[in-house]
Amino acid sequence: DTGVSQDPRHKITKRGQNVTFRCDPISEHNRLYWYRQTLGQGPEFLTYFQNEAQLEKSRLLSDRFSAERPKGSFSTLEIQRTEQGDSAMYLCASSHRQGEKLFFGSGTQLSVL
Amino acid sequence: DAKTTQPNSMESNEEEPVHLPCNHSTISGTDYIHWYRQLPSQGPEYVIHGLTSNVNNRMASLAIAEDRKSSTLILHRATLRDAAVYYCTAGGTSYGKLTFGQGTILTVHP
Repeated sequence: DTGVSQDPRHKITKRGQNVTFRCDPISEHNRLYWYRQTLGQGPEFLTYFQNEAQLEKSRLLSDRFSAERPKGSFSTLEIQRTEQGDSAMYLCASSHRQGEKLFFGSGTQLSVL
Repeated sequence: DAKTTQPNSMESNEEEPVHLPCNHSTISGTDYIHWYRQLPSQGPEYVIHGLTSNVNNRMASLAIAEDRKSSTLILHRATLRDAAVYYCTAGGTSYGKLTFGQGTILTVHP
């Protein structure tokens, strides 16, 4: 169990640029989640995949956000035309079965200047 | 999901027990109660979860009120490494979507 891996750990970008984050879940986990966390707040759910199917998207996920999990393994989260309000920690988590605990990665800290 | 209410912060001394409360008065009968904790610059870490009965694991104990409207996370002997933000969540979907509140910042004094 190597844990959930996220890359990069930190990303600084200018407003209007596109950014992409990657998440590698624990290998046998078929469920993958993206959360966003701003300073002083708890994580907020963004989206959920079961295998390669994206089964739920939060209203927080505007049209500028897109997430994929093409082969049911790793996932990417892309933000187009970044805004300063997108600055946050983006967390990925995975789980194996229904109702099981989530394993979180260390997150990608995005700063939009 | 049920709304959860936790104290903003709590303090403890090392080696002493810590009781972290959580209110979830709107919890439904099938909602699980989950606790996670988060250290600085890390993602949340699972601590414990339960439905109706009290639960124990190597990290902590979870005491759930009989009416399930509140629960208490118990750290039996706090260590400096237990200093973290502790989140209580109640509800979530069958596939693991969780709603986190602001959590309780636990400070442990040596």
